[in-house]
Amino acid sequence: GIQVEQSPPDLILQEGANSTLRCNFSDSVNNLQWFHQNPWGQLINLFYIPSGTKQNGRLSATTVATERYSLLYISSSQTTDSGVYFCAVVSIYSGGGADGLTFGKGTHLIIQP
Amino acid sequence: DSGVTQTPKHLITATGQRVTLRCSPRSGDLSVYWYQQSLDQGLQFLIQYYNGEERAKGNILERFSAQQFPDLHSELNLSSLELGDSALYFCASSVGTGGYYGYTFGSGTRLTVV
Repeated sequence: GIQVEQSPPDLILQEGANSTLRCNFSDSVNNLQWFHQNPWGQLINLFYIPSGTKQNGRLSATTVATERYSLLYISSSQTTDSGVYFCAVVSIYSGGGADGLTFGKGTHLIIQP
Repeated sequence: DSGVTQTPKHLITATGQRVTLRCSPRSGDLSVYWYQQSLDQGLQFLIQYYNGEERAKGNILERFSAQQFPDLHSELNLSSLELGDSALYFCASSVGTGGYYGYTFGSGTRLTVV
């Protein structure tokens, strides 16, 4: 099946810093999403971005489908940005309408005040 | 509130027991997915239903089963529970299938097996 690798695994930053999280995937995809899991365990959908670039406030994401990677940018970090960021994909080779997401292991982000 | 409702939020039960987790998808979504998040396995896809029919299976154990009812809510049944089944169980929903739509996750059910 498709492989998803996220880097870095851990990141500790001061409040106000910028960061870039990376997601590499091994096959072509028709779905790629970024999620933030907060300290209470909730999975929050940040972006649906199988290709192209999107922005939402201080967060933006870019997926270069032809090169099989996606980047999540966080600017002017706040302590509330802490948590685990997951990239998840669906391979185009998932047939028959089967489209369960394959998740990476995540990037654990800690923003210190 | 994501629109996907999971109950209960927390569940503590003993080994060997059976539990049922419930999920109501977001209004208008026909697909329901179940995921398990454990410390050692990470987030894993278990099973998918679309409009009442099973569409795909992931890493779901034979002791686990699920169904989607005519009103589109879904239940995940876990039986003969073991300590290793302790995990956070998420339900997600989507408008269609084929991976061309975004997924919305519920807040999860935290299962503790003692």
